[in-house]
Amino acid sequence: GAGVSQSPRYKVAKRGQDVALRCDPISGHVSLFWYQQALGQGPEFLTYFQNEAQLDKSGLPSDRFFAERPEGSVSTLKIQRTLQEDSAVYLCASSLSTGGSQPQHFGDGTRLSIL
Amino acid sequence: GENVEQHPSTLSVQEGDSAVIKCTYSDSASNYFPWYKQELGKRPQLIIDIRSNVGEKKDQRIAVTLNKTAKHFSLHITETQPEDSAVYFCAAEEIRGTSYGKLTFGQGTILTVHP
Repeated sequence: GAGVSQSPRYKVAKRGQDVALRCDPISGHVSLFWYQQALGQGPEFLTYFQNEAQLDKSGLPSDRFFAERPEGSVSTLKIQRTLQEDSAVYLCASSLSTGGSQPQHFGDGTRLSIL
Repeated sequence: GENVEQHPSTLSVQEGDSAVIKCTYSDSASNYFPWYKQELGKRPQLIIDIRSNVGEKKDQRIAVTLNKTAKHFSLHITETQPEDSAVYFCAAEEIRGTSYGKLTFGQGTILTVHP
């Protein structure tokens, strides 16, 4: 595709509900990152995939957050038993290869609001 | 881990003036420094990046300088235009093992260019 695609763009959920956020990276991109962006802040790293392997999940705030990329392309970020503090924009980024110093291309994000 | 500080938090200039945004980082092992522009409700867009083997890079009205000894880097925008108004984020990449780079972002600078 032309760029990184995320869906839904907006998600409103009640506290305690589970949500699933989807990311379609640029075709052929090996690396995929998830970031969380609070209002007025810079993005903060959540997790990283190299193809289907989740190599780093050190940024996930709690065990309520789970991410997967089963076939090495589309990724899903799932949040269970949501809390108001989970409200944020969730950004996905992909890069062509590994090894660092690779430009990361971002999607428009999913704006999650927990009521 | 890496820590990135960005200043100023807001910057207001007249059209045609120059704008400078500065960032410092803590991890001397970081070697890739991208800058992103984010308009309201949109994705962060990579506007320029620099690797540690160069001290300066320029792309039309945008330039970035890097001082590895002092661990700081700066974004320079010349002949500013109203469409340059946005939030700008700097980032530093720390290499995790040999397999990928994780970005740590600054807090952002809100740039307003007045016509």
